[in-house]
Amino acid sequence: DILVTQSPSSLSASVGDRVTITCRASQKIDICLNWYQQKPGTAPKLLIYGASTLQSGVPSRFSGSGFGTEFTLTITNLQPGDFATYFCQQSYNTPETFGQGTKVEIK
Amino acid sequence: DVRLEESGGGLVKPGGSLRLSCAASGFSLSSFDMNWVRQAPGKGLEWVSSISSRSSFADYADSVKGRFTISRDNAKNLLFLEMDSLRDEDTALYYCATRNFYHSGDYYSLYFESWGLGSLVTVSS
Repeated sequence: DILVTQSPSSLSASVGDRVTITCRASQKIDICLNWYQQKPGTAPKLLIYGASTLQSGVPSRFSGSGFGTEFTLTITNLQPGDFATYFCQQSYNTPETFGQGTKVEIK
Repeated sequence: DVRLEESGGGLVKPGGSLRLSCAASGFSLSSFDMNWVRQAPGKGLEWVSSISSRSSFADYADSVKGRFTISRDNAKNLLFLEMDSLRDEDTALYYCATRNFYHSGDYYSLYFESWGLGSLVTVSS
């Protein structure tokens, strides 16, 4: 199985901050890396697919980058609605595996 | 509006069985490969099973292989997950999700675009 290691597991930030979350895959996965946002009591919401393509309706302050084994989700100008848990997911091979999640909390 | 709604969850004893359903509305389920993804309380996400759009191919996580069976009825816009020999560690919120395909040059990616609200399965004696 491809292991996806996400870091940090949590972070504290303020409204307006820039936040970066990293995912590393245990083998190369080209652009088969997706990002999801989950708020308490709700289903995950797709943010970014194919490593860097913004899902329709997602604000442009969210961006993704990377290729191969290392990937980054960046949130600029953090807004109150962005405090949530973020997961990355690889879809290069089954089983499709998720990172452990990063909880973004208010400082 | 694209909508997925899971049902069939509940409390079951270890060794018991449950059948989850996922009803699609606002789109034709037959257009998509479909998946089940679960989330244990307070934990991360785990892909459970997938089925191709015309049921020609199904796949399972090792943790459920031989115990769970995925199926679909495209005519009724329904997806199912038959769960047998349930264990404590199967306790989770079970989501159904569409699998979409993205292609860019020589590269591609698959991703889960639309998700239901989930159905809670609790396995406990």
